[in-house]
Amino acid sequence: DAKTTQPPSMDCAEGRAANLPCNHSTISGNEYVYWYRQIHSQGPQYIIHGLKNNETNEMASLIITEDRKSSTLILPHATLRDTAVYYCIVRVDRGTGANNLFFGTGTRLTVIP
Amino acid sequence: SQTIHQWPATLVQPVGSPLSLECTVEGTSNPNLYWYRQAAGRGLQLLFYSVGIGQISSEVPQNLSASRPQDRQFILSSKKLLLSDSGFYLCAWTPAAKNIQYFGAGTRLSVL
Repeated sequence: DAKTTQPPSMDCAEGRAANLPCNHSTISGNEYVYWYRQIHSQGPQYIIHGLKNNETNEMASLIITEDRKSSTLILPHATLRDTAVYYCIVRVDRGTGANNLFFGTGTRLTVIP
Repeated sequence: SQTIHQWPATLVQPVGSPLSLECTVEGTSNPNLYWYRQAAGRGLQLLFYSVGIGQISSEVPQNLSASRPQDRQFILSSKKLLLSDSGFYLCAWTPAAKNIQYFGAGTRLSVL
């Protein structure tokens, strides 16, 4: 699975959009980009994933560059409850067998009132 | 709907004592199951995963073991805990042939 690089921390004002970057320059053609977040002392929570097209769901948007070497997770209107560590993970979408994920240290997002 | 239960939430154990953490999944069948450990301020480390009853794969050599006696039950064990076993233990599951993982609330283990 490709390695990812994220900034260790970011701040965002409440109500503003939070843009969390992730570099995955060694990504291969069949690898997806996944985003999870972990609020303090809780289990990680799935947010969104994509292959090459931009994706949007009720939680966030995922923007993947055309060369797929980087992506940005966008929380359109950050709230205090979005304060968490955000993990970007790149891996093959295996149809069978174990689908273990490798989490790095992520980006600690702090939403400021 | 599917839910994952993990207990206990917090555990304090002396060095050398045994350990048993349990994880169960409801509302699905034949899930892939995972145990992760997270040291303070660190990312998650995959410990074990299972694709079926009695099938356990270990990612790292360690003082721990895992078992899957039933389809939706995953147990993490140790015969003798070490100080280095302290951490936040997370159970997760994925539907077969799917890649999104769903995590339990975690168990914070302190070995003293």
